[in-house]
Amino acid sequence: GENVEQHPSTLSVQEGDSAVIKCTYSDSASNYFPWYKQELGKGPQLIIDIRSNVGEKKDQRIAVTLNKTAKHFSLHITETQPEDSAVYFCAARISNTGNQFYFGTGTSLTVIP
Amino acid sequence: EAGVAQSPRYKIIEKRQSVAFWCNPISGHATLYWYQQILGQGPKLLIQFQNNGVVDDSQLPKDRFSAERLKGVDSTLKIQPAKLEDSAVYLCASSWGPLSYEQYFGPGTRLTVT
Repeated sequence: GENVEQHPSTLSVQEGDSAVIKCTYSDSASNYFPWYKQELGKGPQLIIDIRSNVGEKKDQRIAVTLNKTAKHFSLHITETQPEDSAVYFCAARISNTGNQFYFGTGTSLTVIP
Repeated sequence: EAGVAQSPRYKIIEKRQSVAFWCNPISGHATLYWYQQILGQGPKLLIQFQNNGVVDDSQLPKDRFSAERLKGVDSTLKIQPAKLEDSAVYLCASSWGPLSYEQYFGPGTRLTVT
C-alpha cells in the first residue's frame, strides 16, 4: 500500500511569517493529494487539494505544490495568522477500484502572535 | 447542506466491553469511510463502503471490529470486546462516490478504554 511521510511534526512561526509543510509518498499510482486542517475536537477539514496532472495550486494565502517525479508535495501558508494554528494532515489517494486515502502523521502548527 | 453526523461524541468503557458508533453521511453521498485516529497520528482507514457494499476492509481487525451499512445510508461501527489499544478517535467521512475526489469528515467519536 501507500506510505505517506510528513515533516515537520511540529512547527512554530511568528504571525505574518510563512509556514511550509512537506510530504512524500511512495506509490506512483497516487493521483490526488488533499491537505486537511484539524482543530481540537473536530474532524479534519479539507483546505486545499491538488491532482496529479497539476504542479501547483493556490487559494488566497494557501498554496500546494506537487513534484510527481520526486513523489513529494508541500503546503505553503503565507502571512500566517493565529487562527491558522491547528494540526495539518497531508494525504494521498491511490487510483484503483477503491480509491483509498492514506494520511501523513500530521504537523502541529503554532502561530505566535 | 448538513455535514456528516456522528454519535456519541465521547464514550468511556472498560476493556472487554462492547461499544457502537453511528454515522449519518451527507445526503446523497454513496461512499462512506470509517477511520481510526490514534492520538498524535493521522487517520487510518478501517473500512470503506460503496452504498451498502464493502469496498475495502483490509485494515479492519475483524476478530473484534464489525461495521455495516444496511440501507446504504447510515452506518454503525462496533467493537467487541474492546482493548486498551482501541482508545482513539473514530472518524466517519463520506463522498459522492468512488471517483469523487473530496471526502468530508464528521466530528468524530472519542473512545477511551480503561
